[in-house]
Amino acid sequence: AQTVTQSQPEMSVQEAETVTLSCTYDTSESDYYLFWYKQPPSRQMILVIRQEAYKQQNATENRFSVNFQKAAKSFSLKISDSQLGDAAMYFCAYRMLTFGGGTRLMVKP
Amino acid sequence: GAGVSQSPSNKVTEKGKDVELRCDPISGHTALYWYRQSLGQGLEFLIYFQGNSAPDKSGLPSDRFSAERTGGSVSTLTIQRTQQEDSAVYLCASSWTGLADNEQFFGPGTRLTVL
Repeated sequence: AQTVTQSQPEMSVQEAETVTLSCTYDTSESDYYLFWYKQPPSRQMILVIRQEAYKQQNATENRFSVNFQKAAKSFSLKISDSQLGDAAMYFCAYRMLTFGGGTRLMVKP
Repeated sequence: GAGVSQSPSNKVTEKGKDVELRCDPISGHTALYWYRQSLGQGLEFLIYFQGNSAPDKSGLPSDRFSAERTGGSVSTLTIQRTQQEDSAVYLCASSWTGLADNEQFFGPGTRLTVL
């Protein structure tokens, strides 16, 4: 069975600085997608970024980028120039079927 | 509407009662997913539909849980004889196809409280 682990229950970052959220997973498959979703207090899950496992190039979306290490089964999310609106729960997901426990990100003004 | 909608937004029920949770997916989306999110936890996959059929029911936690989808659109998740451990937020999502690698669009969820 696949598992997803987010080892940081909470993270804090100063506004305008950079923060990295970690995620590791376990699978025996070779082709799959990984996702980062953001969940603000409104409960609405919002897609942040998606990575295809067969692509070696790391996905980027504006201030959000990933460091995908397939051999290590690691999929970390980097948020650059953090903004107050980035404060939320962040969930890492394997194929939208298995989710990590989440990391609560706090942004200090 | 343009997004996924769920009703009710909040439901309080007594232990032993049955509840029905409703999900209206985005028009044209063939795939529909149900998840459960317990307090402070990640999402737990329950079931997904491709059209009206449910090829994967492996996530349903017990036979008290069932779901159906009619007309390839609206879905209902039913929990019979609710227990306190069923208290959670139930999230619905839809996507264009049933592949688990497609982006899913989520609804706002239904918060279920079993007293």
